[in-house]
Amino acid sequence: DIRMTQSPASLSASLGETVNIECLASEDIYSDLAWYQQKPGKSPQLLIYNANSLQNGVPSRFSGSGSGTQYSLKINSLQSEDVATYFCQQYNNYPLTFGSGTKLEIK
Amino acid sequence: QVQLQQSGAELVKPGSSVKISCKASGYTFTSYDMHWIKQQPGNGLEWIGWIYPGNGNTKYNQKFNGKATLTADKSSSTAYMQLSSLTSEDSAVYFCARRRLGARYWYFDFWGPGTMVTVSS
Repeated sequence: DIRMTQSPASLSASLGETVNIECLASEDIYSDLAWYQQKPGKSPQLLIYNANSLQNGVPSRFSGSGSGTQYSLKINSLQSEDVATYFCQQYNNYPLTFGSGTKLEIK
Repeated sequence: QVQLQQSGAELVKPGSSVKISCKASGYTFTSYDMHWIKQQPGNGLEWIGWIYPGNGNTKYNQKFNGKATLTADKSSSTAYMQLSSLTSEDSAVYFCARRRLGARYWYFDFWGPGTMVTVSS
C-alpha cells in the first residue's frame, strides 16, 4: 500500500496568514493526488485534484503543488471559515489511501 | 444538484451485521462508481471499496474483504454496504462518495453526510 505521511498534524495560524500543509507519498504517485477539507461534523469536500487543479467553486486562496512523492496545499490569506481538518489522498494505485490529516485552527 | 442521502445512525451488537444505504439523486446513478470510506473517531480516512451500479462490478480494499459487501439497486438509485461480524473496531462513520467521471479520476467530488455505526453490547 502507498503510505501518505501528512504534516504537521495540527497547525495554528492567524487570520490573513499563509499556511502550508505537506503530504509525502511512500512512492512516486505521478501527481495523482487530491486534497479535501473536512469541517467538524461534516463530510470531506474536494479542494484540489491532480495535485494542482482547483475544484469548481473553491476559493482561489487555496492552491496545490508538488510532484513525485512530495506535495503541498497552500492557503493564502487565512479566513475563519478555513478552520477544518485537511486530508490528502493518492489515487495512483490501489488501495486508495489518505493522509492522517492536518487540523487547522485560528490563533 | 447532486445529492447523496445516507441512512441514519445504527447501534448494533457485536457479532451482528448492519446494512447502510446511500440514495443518489441529481445525476445518472448507473454512470458513476460509488465508493465507501470509513472514518473512526479522531482518525483518518480508510477506503473500503467501490461498486459500479451500471453492471454491479465491485472492487474492495483487501483489508475489508469478508467484512464489507457492496450492492446497488438501480431502480431506486441506492447503493448499500453491508458490514458483517461486527466488532468494536467497526465503530465508525461510514461515508459514501461519488467518484468523478473519467478513467484517471479516482477521487471524490461528492460525499454523503455519513452514517455512524456504533458496535456495543
